Amino acid sequence: DIQMTQSPSSLSASVGDRVTITCRASQSISIYLNWYQQKPGKAPKLLIYSASNLQSGVPSRLSGSGSGTDFTLTISSLQPEDFATYYCQQSYSTPQTFGPGTKVDIK
Amino acid sequence: QVQLQESGPGLVKPSQTLSLTCTVSGGSITSGNYYWSWIRQPAGKGLEWIGRIYTSGSTNYNPSLKSRVTISVDTSKNQFSLKLSSVTAADTAVYYCASATHYYGSYYFDYWGQGTLVTVSS
Repeated sequence: DIQMTQSPSSLSASVGDRVTITCRASQSISIYLNWYQQKPGKAPKLLIYSASNLQSGVPSRLSGSGSGTDFTLTISSLQPEDFATYYCQQSYSTPQTFGPGTKVDIK
Repeated sequence: QVQLQESGPGLVKPSQTLSLTCTVSGGSITSGNYYWSWIRQPAGKGLEWIGRIYTSGSTNYNPSLKSRVTISVDTSKNQFSLKLSSVTAADTAVYYCASATHYYGSYYFDYWGQGTLVTVSS
């Protein structure tokens, strides 16, 4: 199985801050990396697919980059609705695996 | 807009079989380039992919669960189902059904059900 790690595991930030979350795969996954946002009691929501493609309806302050083993999710100016847990997920091979998550909360 | 809804018992006894159904609305389960998937999340923990089925009936399962999992599709009812046998407390989780779009070699989960909590307890 491809192992996914994320850093940091949690962070505290203020509205307006620039936030970067890193995801690393245990082997090269090309660009087959997706990002999700999950709020308490809710299903995950797709944000970015294939490393850098913004899902329809997702604000442009979110962006993704990377290829191979290292990927980043950036929120350029954190908004109140962005406080949530973020997961990366590889679809390069089965079993498709998720990172452990990064919780973004209010400083 | 595709919508998914899980249904099934919220309580299953140890050693029994967990059975869940996902009903797809807003579109045909046979249309588009979708794989229909199950994902679970124990309380306070991360997401685990269980497996997927294509409308042709072809399946892929997580090796960690493969011996206990069966995913099937009923195109006449626009539903797909999960069966997980010989459950233990470790199988207690919120179970999500999701559609996975196939895009130039990538798969991403773009539509999700709201999730259903299944507790394994006697």
